[in-house]
Amino acid sequence: KNEVEQSPQNLTAQEGEFITINCSYSVGISALHWLQQHPGGGIVSLFMLSSGKKKHGRLIATINIQEKHSSLHITASHPRDSAVYICAVSYGGSQGNLIFGKGTKLSVKP
Amino acid sequence: DVKVTQSSRYLVKRTGEKVFLECVQDMDHENMFWYRQDPGLGLRLIYFSYDVKMKEKGDIPEGYSVSREKKERFSLILESASTNQTSMYLCASSPYAGTSGRLSSSYNEQFFGPGTRLTVL
Repeated sequence: KNEVEQSPQNLTAQEGEFITINCSYSVGISALHWLQQHPGGGIVSLFMLSSGKKKHGRLIATINIQEKHSSLHITASHPRDSAVYICAVSYGGSQGNLIFGKGTKLSVKP
Repeated sequence: DVKVTQSSRYLVKRTGEKVFLECVQDMDHENMFWYRQDPGLGLRLIYFSYDVKMKEKGDIPEGYSVSREKKERFSLILESASTNQTSMYLCASSPYAGTSGRLSSSYNEQFFGPGTRLTVL
């Protein structure tokens, strides 16, 4: 059974800081997902990647398949980035099940 | 714009009541999922469905049942609500990836509803 571990569990940063959230998993996957959940509940998909690096605005996601590790970086953090960031992995099966990490709660102070 | 909707954002019920949580998606997705989310435990899969009238148990199905009579609608039923079912409930859907040829990892992307915060008193 694949385990997905995230660190840190909680993170407080000052506005403008560079932020890194880490995710490790235990067995081979077809894709890794980074999700964002704002207070209020709704979850949105930020990235889905199976190799290398993806960038969207101030967000960067990287994955190292050999080391079974991914990082989510936020450059020039802003209070609106405050949210729970969730890492999840999938195996490419037709039913699309995901295995989720427990999430990292990020708070960015002005 | 793709959309997954849930029938209620907040719900308060009494112990022993039968509770229905409805989820509707407008993306013609084959797969639909029900999760609950609790502090410190993350998202846990209750049930999923990969086709109309088909259902599979997830990691924590006890105390729950589901119904999928139409492709766009997936219902979660608490037959007799208990206080330990107080939680945030999230529905999601994803397209079917197929069983032949090379699977695209994009087909595993799940689209989530806004969540229902259920309190059982």
